Amino acid sequence: QLQLQESGPGLVKPSETLSLTCTVSGGSVSSNDYYWGWIRQPPGQGLDWVGSVYYSGSTYYNPSLKSRVTISVETSKNQFSLKLSSVTAADTALYYCARWNRDILTGSMYYFDYWGQGILVTVSS
Amino acid sequence: SYELTQPPSVSVSPGQTARITCSGDALPKKYAYWYQQKSGQAPVLVIYEDNKRPSGIPERFSGSSSGTMATLTISGAQVEDEADYYCYSTDSSANLWVFGGGTKVTVL
Repeated sequence: QLQLQESGPGLVKPSETLSLTCTVSGGSVSSNDYYWGWIRQPPGQGLDWVGSVYYSGSTYYNPSLKSRVTISVETSKNQFSLKLSSVTAADTALYYCARWNRDILTGSMYYFDYWGQGILVTVSS
Repeated sequence: SYELTQPPSVSVSPGQTARITCSGDALPKKYAYWYQQKSGQAPVLVIYEDNKRPSGIPERFSGSSSGTMATLTISGAQVEDEADYYCYSTDSSANLWVFGGGTKVTVL
């Protein structure tokens, strides 16, 4: 059974860089069938797609965050990571990592099918 | 930008049918997906590609899509179906992947 686990600091200071890692077990980030992604959820609010990465390093980013986001993959450790720079209080959220699968028929629709439990990151001085 | 619009809340009596709508301009050409999120838990996929149900999801959950609107139907809603439900899809260029604002389903 595929499992994902987020890790990283729960508290980040304003203007600094948020760094999170997702460790995958029961599957491989090197699979050519899937991307891997990050989603965030501010307290009491809805879900926002942050971005996604392929094992080759190819990425998709939410345009609203693109200037501040870097998502990378570390195949040797079976992990992928999120870095979000110049954070403000608006970046306080529960951050989820998840597998980004795609539809069989067209191969063009991507969706999240396995999720981690999430990690709360608070931006505060 | 691109948005998927859902009603904020839906209430249903146990055993009755709940319908949650999701509207988006690209839905005629893009699949809709639905996630269930119970309090304090990670989202769970309940419908994919408009109307397919992942293994382990009860048959009372079904999906449909017509024109610019997708619909999640819970037939014979149970108390354990109380949760927030989010639709998910992409814009016409598949560059922006979005979730709807979420619908809180209350079963009482």
